Amino acid sequence: DSEVTQSPLFLPVTLGQPASISCRSSQSLVYLDGNTYLNWFHQRPGQSPRRLIYKVSNRDSGVPDRFSGSGSGTDFTLKISRVEAEDVGVYYCMQGTHWPRTFGQGTKVEIK
Amino acid sequence: QVQLQESGPGLVKPSETLSLSCSVSGGSINNYYWNWIRQPAGKGLEWVGRIYSSGGTNYNPSLGSRVTLSVDASRNQFSLNLGPVSAADSAVYYCARGEHDVDVWGHGISVTVSS
Repeated sequence: DSEVTQSPLFLPVTLGQPASISCRSSQSLVYLDGNTYLNWFHQRPGQSPRRLIYKVSNRDSGVPDRFSGSGSGTDFTLKISRVEAEDVGVYYCMQGTHWPRTFGQGTKVEIK
Repeated sequence: QVQLQESGPGLVKPSETLSLSCSVSGGSINNYYWNWIRQPAGKGLEWVGRIYSSGGTNYNPSLGSRVTLSVDASRNQFSLNLGPVSAADSAVYYCARGEHDVDVWGHGISVTVSS
């Protein structure tokens, strides 16, 4: 399996301040078609995950522009430029290049 | 917009087979990949398997031969069979759409394996 490792696993943040989550894969996530299939999801308690970012850096419709994704190969980052109260929850990265698809362990974001 | 809805029993006995269905509304099941993903209580997400609308499947090797996915395009529905189950299979099961990039998720259905 292509392992995906997130850090940190717990991230206390101050409202209005930036936050950053790292995601590293054990293998390159560049697929045969040249695309890199790395997704970011946000999950609030009792809800299903919501995709924020696909193919490393593409924001989904309705996702605020304070969220951005970057990276290449095996190293990726999700950044929140200014954390708002609604951003709390667990963030997961997921690789869609290798089979089986795998998720990071999740990063729990809380307000300090 | 496409919506997914899981259905099935919330309680399954050990050694029996867990059977869930996912209904697709607001769009066609054709020409898409459809996935099952599960999440044990308080834990992370695990890919179970996926099926294409024409029936091709991929399964997570960690589940061995216990998992089978099927699709009924005439009913805009796809299904998961997992068995025999144990307590380790207790989880919220989500159905979701996508090949490389999963974009639409169902609300999830909680399944407990217990006698």
